[in-house]
Amino acid sequence: KQEVTQIPAALSVPEGENLVLNCSFTDSAIYNLQWFRQDPGKGLTSLLLIQSSQREQTSGRLNASLDKSSGRSTLYIAASQPGDSATYLCAVRLGTSYDKVIFGPGTSLSVIP
Amino acid sequence: DAGITQSPRHKVTETGTPVTLRCHQTENHRYMYWYRQDPGHGLRLIHYSYGVKDTDKGEVSDGYSVSRSKTEDFLLTLESATSSQTSVYFCAIRAQGGENTEAFFGQGTRLTVV
Repeated sequence: KQEVTQIPAALSVPEGENLVLNCSFTDSAIYNLQWFRQDPGKGLTSLLLIQSSQREQTSGRLNASLDKSSGRSTLYIAASQPGDSATYLCAVRLGTSYDKVIFGPGTSLSVIP
Repeated sequence: DAGITQSPRHKVTETGTPVTLRCHQTENHRYMYWYRQDPGHGLRLIHYSYGVKDTDKGEVSDGYSVSRSKTEDFLLTLESATSSQTSVYFCAIRAQGGENTEAFFGQGTRLTVV
């Protein structure tokens, strides 16, 4: 059974710092991996999607990497800003089935001005 | 927000009453999903739809039913609400396609069963 974990559960950093969020999954047979951001009381906003054949994706200050063999993905945030404060979730999609998406529990990020 | 509207956004209901949550999309996406989000459990799939009148169960479907009579609407019904169904419910949509199809989420419905 695929399990997705995210460490740390919470992170507090000063503004301007670069940081890395981790996502681990137990079964490397994934179709893709998606990173989301969730603000309090809001829905999930898609940040980056990495296909199984890709190693990384970049969008602005965000860079996500994928290492299927080790069952890991990282989300790198450069020059963090207070507006980056949110919960970040990763989700792995298993095979081509549209229902088999497993979410991690999330990392709550707080960027201190 | 990718043309997804959930209604209502907040609801308080009594145990044993039926409740229907609505998800409406303007993207004409084929796939629609209902998730619930609970502390300690993350997001879990309740039901999903892969077309009009085509639905299937997710991992936590007991006590829930769904219907999709039109492409744009996906309804989630709690036949007889219980306190364990107090949660935040999210609708998501996904376009038909291959590896690069992202999922987009609605703003959520906070349901409290008292």
